[in-house]
Amino acid sequence: KAGVTQTPRYLIKTRGQQVTLSCSPISGHRSVSWYQQTPGQGLQFLFEYFSETQRNKGNFPGRFSGRQFSNSRSEMNVSTLELGDSALYLCASSLVEDRTEAFFGQGTRLTVV
Amino acid sequence: AQSVAQPEDQVNVAEGNPLTVKCTYSVSGNPYLFWYVQYPNRGLQFLLKYITGDNLVKGSYGFEAEFNKSQTSFHLKKPSALVSDSALYFCAVRDIGGNNRLAFGKGNQVVVIP
Repeated sequence: KAGVTQTPRYLIKTRGQQVTLSCSPISGHRSVSWYQQTPGQGLQFLFEYFSETQRNKGNFPGRFSGRQFSNSRSEMNVSTLELGDSALYLCASSLVEDRTEAFFGQGTRLTVV
Repeated sequence: AQSVAQPEDQVNVAEGNPLTVKCTYSVSGNPYLFWYVQYPNRGLQFLLKYITGDNLVKGSYGFEAEFNKSQTSFHLKKPSALVSDSALYFCAVRDIGGNNRLAFGKGNQVVVIP
């Protein structure tokens, strides 16, 4: 079974631009969550999508948004990029039941210059 | 709100010695607890979880963890550390309640010295 696939692996963007990251979950997993990892703040929850609906949201500004498609693939978008948005963005997929573990992709390394 | 504390920044251990990485948690009800490991420039790999049942949980690569409800702890252990165990380890907690939001600790860098 293929794992969680995130594309692209690396991105360099300029301040003020926007970016879209993609995540394909494990087949059969309908829940997709996004996390931001930085050296200073650690791993922080961005949002979770289930059945194309945002089910949970972390404490991030509205510049961070996401969506989920009918095939469970998810995208997250960051508009008006700031230097502080430089981070590793991780996607995790899970089965619906909350007793199960989340499986993470390799992440997208975003650098804002 | 759920939270996790990993009190140590770095754990140094000699190869072949026992390894312990500490984690305490705070949740409003019964917790679901997880340990993940991260190698440089990689995502998180699942090691083990506690949901219910036996307090001693066995996981991947020889790791185990002990759930202690009275001390609200979930320490990760390995009887004999390998150099290849050098990595960043994260403890995470999830509230029971129908969502998959994980709260992570800050992570512990484990360095196994040959």
